[in-house]
Amino acid sequence: GENVEQHPSTLSVQEGDSAVIKCTYSDSASNYFPWYKQELGKRPQLIIDIRSNVGEKKDQRIAVTLNKTAKHFSLHITETQPEDSAVYFCAADNYGGSQGNLIFGKGTKLSVKP
Amino acid sequence: DSGVTQTPKHLITATGQRVTLRCSPRSGDLSVYWYQQSLDQGLQFLIQYYNGEERAKGNILERFSAQQFPDLHSELNLSSLELGDSALYFCASSVGGAADTQYFGPGTRLTVL
Repeated sequence: GENVEQHPSTLSVQEGDSAVIKCTYSDSASNYFPWYKQELGKRPQLIIDIRSNVGEKKDQRIAVTLNKTAKHFSLHITETQPEDSAVYFCAADNYGGSQGNLIFGKGTKLSVKP
Repeated sequence: DSGVTQTPKHLITATGQRVTLRCSPRSGDLSVYWYQQSLDQGLQFLIQYYNGEERAKGNILERFSAQQFPDLHSELNLSSLELGDSALYFCASSVGGAADTQYFGPGTRLTVL
């Protein structure tokens, strides 16, 4: 099955700076890579996802890049704001999606200082 | 609001007891997933049901079981509870059974004393 590694575990930036979170995965058959944002005590919320037929996807201040050859994908947040402070999880589909479930990284706690 | 509902919101019980957590998926979604999130831990996949059938199994203990009913709601049963079972339990749903966007419910916080 899939294994997902996520770095860094904590990230502190100044408001207005950019933040980058990186994930690597082990199964070359994986083709769906979502990112979730989780505020303290709340549900994980999907913020962006990418599929393997696309190398980059952008939604306003958030972008995700995927390198299938290297088996890694990254989340980029530009012009960070205090409300971006949360834990971010990357994930990959297991067994190339044949089983449907996601394998999550251990999360990155992002702190944006005003 | 994701459209996925979970009850109860909080549950406090004693070791050795049995509890049932309930999840209703978004309208139209056929898949239900259960995840466990312990303190400062990531999301551990427990089990997936698709249209009433078990589809995938993760690190689910033998003391835990689940099912999905004909109306597509799902229940997660936790028995012989231990202190270490204290966690947030999330349910998620998706339209299909593979590589679809998963929408999470608000979770049930279980505390075992």
